[in-house]
Amino acid sequence: EIVMTQSPATLSVSPGERATLSCRASQSVSSHLAWYQQKPGQAPRLLIYGASTRATGIPARFSGSGSGTEFTLTISNLQSEDFAVYYCQQYNKWPLPITFGQGTRLEIK
Amino acid sequence: QVQLVESGGGVVQPGRSLRLSCAASGFTFSSYGMHWVRQAPGKGLEWVAVIWFDGTKKYYADSVKGRFAISRDNSENTLFLQMNSLRAEDTAVYYCARGPGSIDYWGQGTLVTVSS
Repeated sequence: EIVMTQSPATLSVSPGERATLSCRASQSVSSHLAWYQQKPGQAPRLLIYGASTRATGIPARFSGSGSGTEFTLTISNLQSEDFAVYYCQQYNKWPLPITFGQGTRLEIK
Repeated sequence: QVQLVESGGGVVQPGRSLRLSCAASGFTFSSYGMHWVRQAPGKGLEWVAVIWFDGTKKYYADSVKGRFAISRDNSENTLFLQMNSLRAEDTAVYYCARGPGSIDYWGQGTLVTVSS
């Protein structure tokens, strides 16, 4: 099983600033990497797939990069609605099995 | 618009069974692989199972293999998860989700609590 490790566990950033979240895979997943945002009491929402392609309706301030084992989600000009938990997910070996990172909580500084 | 609506959750005793359903609408259900993903209270996301668009292939997480069964009825646009021999550690919100690889739509989830 491919293990996904996210860092940091918690990130404190001020509104208007930039947040950089990291995700590392235990082995190469090529570009088969997605990012999700989850707010309390809500289902996750797809932000990025294919490591760098924004999903439908996702603002341009969200960007993804990386390939292989190292990935980054960057959120520029943080808005109040961006403070949430973010998960990465690999699907390189889909369907056996899909795995998620443990999440990064983005909080207001 | 795409909608996924789960039902069937509730409180169940350890060792008992429960069947979850997910009603899909707003897209051609029979063209998509579908997943179940769960989230224990205060924890992260855990993939549970996936089923091919036509139901011919099914895969499970090791934690549920042999106890859970995923199925679908494409004529009724419905996804199912039969959960047997439930354990306390199966307590979670269960999400129905559209695949096949990345997950672009999620249901609102249904809570399953396994407790005596």
